[in-house]
Amino acid sequence: KNQVEQSPQSLIILEGKNCTLQCNYTVSPFSNLRWYKQDTGRGPVSLTIMTFSENTKSNGRYTATLDADTKQSSLHITASQLSDSASYICVVSDRGSTLGRLYFGRGTQLTVWP
Amino acid sequence: EADIYQTPRYLVIGTGKKITLECSQTMGHDKMYWYQQDPGMELHLIHYSYGVNSTEKGDLSSESTVSRIRTEHFPLTLESARPSHTSQYLCASSETRDRGTDTQYFGPGTRLTVL
Repeated sequence: KNQVEQSPQSLIILEGKNCTLQCNYTVSPFSNLRWYKQDTGRGPVSLTIMTFSENTKSNGRYTATLDADTKQSSLHITASQLSDSASYICVVSDRGSTLGRLYFGRGTQLTVWP
Repeated sequence: EADIYQTPRYLVIGTGKKITLECSQTMGHDKMYWYQQDPGMELHLIHYSYGVNSTEKGDLSSESTVSRIRTEHFPLTLESARPSHTSQYLCASSETRDRGTDTQYFGPGTRLTVL
């Protein structure tokens, strides 16, 4: 059973609008949470990383939030651009091993229309 | 832009062929990984390496094998390809940091189709 669930599965918005993507996880013990952006046919690129003590992290127009108590995270995209069209993947790492095992969500496919 | 490369980017081959997917990174990272990703699905770890001469199987059972003879190179080999191996294969690398916060840098992927 996937321990990282993302919603919505897909989203279409108009250029210039804001949007928020959700990530719920059950991974325990928790180490950190990352958001990746994956363009079609490319590998994922890291946007933000948050540890247990952090509840918000920004990277330009991307702002991620983390509520470790409810095990929820969100990624807010401000003033969307056509280049934001991509899959956004939530990745949670546990503290249970030296490797810091990663649990991947299935991603939210975002499409920005002009 | 991450300095991690994968070749070929696309490969279409017949059943039973032996193939090797190449992955190389110039960042001097000690850890390297291979993931398999099907459309609309999550990434699944199939192999990883902590360093030279270190290789481990990941979470997803795979008939592929890997080797790590040099730090920068982590090739994946399928001895006899089957249609069930059709997928996207992503290579990644990371540098060990405290508290497991090392960020994985991904290559562009190889899209494999086995006929």
